[in-house]
Amino acid sequence: DVKVTQSSRYLVKRTGEKVFLECVQDMDHENMFWYRQDPGLGLRLIYFSYDVKMKEKGDIPEGYSVSREKKERFSLILESASTNQTSMYLCASSLVSGPDTIYFGEGSWLTVV
Amino acid sequence: AQSVTQPDIHITVSEGASLELRCNYSYGATPYLFWYVQSPGQGLQLLLKYFSGDTLVQGIKGFEAEFKRSQSSFNLRKPSVHWSDAAEYFCAVGANTNAGKSTFGDGTTLTVKP
Repeated sequence: DVKVTQSSRYLVKRTGEKVFLECVQDMDHENMFWYRQDPGLGLRLIYFSYDVKMKEKGDIPEGYSVSREKKERFSLILESASTNQTSMYLCASSLVSGPDTIYFGEGSWLTVV
Repeated sequence: AQSVTQPDIHITVSEGASLELRCNYSYGATPYLFWYVQSPGQGLQLLLKYFSGDTLVQGIKGFEAEFKRSQSSFNLRKPSVHWSDAAEYFCAVGANTNAGKSTFGDGTTLTVKP
């Protein structure tokens, strides 16, 4: 089974802090994604990566950056956390581009106070 | 631009009853369509997907969905709901370039009554 692991399930951070959300997949997938999930808004794509050190902006990249130094690991960075970034963050991966199956992690609940 | 509408925010059905969750999409070309399920506190799991061919698609956990191009719909069905089906369900539409860039609906929460 494919496993996408988000190491931090619940975080509480202060406004202005730098926040790192880590995601690791164990199936040598090419693509990795970060989404944000808010009630009534579905999932919105923040960034995705199609290869090591390659990234592309999604629909809502403002206030976020990403890092992919190794194929299995994709990090989401909030340079200066704000209260409107309080949300559930989901990481996902897929083997290849195209209409491939996406595998999701269990999510990271971030509260910014 | 692509978009997805799930008209029902919340649906309640009795255990053993049939289920239909609605999904309407807007997309300029042949869409790639997905249904995902999310249990509380968990990530999303793919139930089924449609790319081409037979418009009736079978998925996991006894779910099926029918693609109707004339109605721009991709409704999810299950003939007999189990208590474990209580969850949130998301419809998504995407391009063939990358399923991860799909547009997701706002979700429908399913409650199952004993």
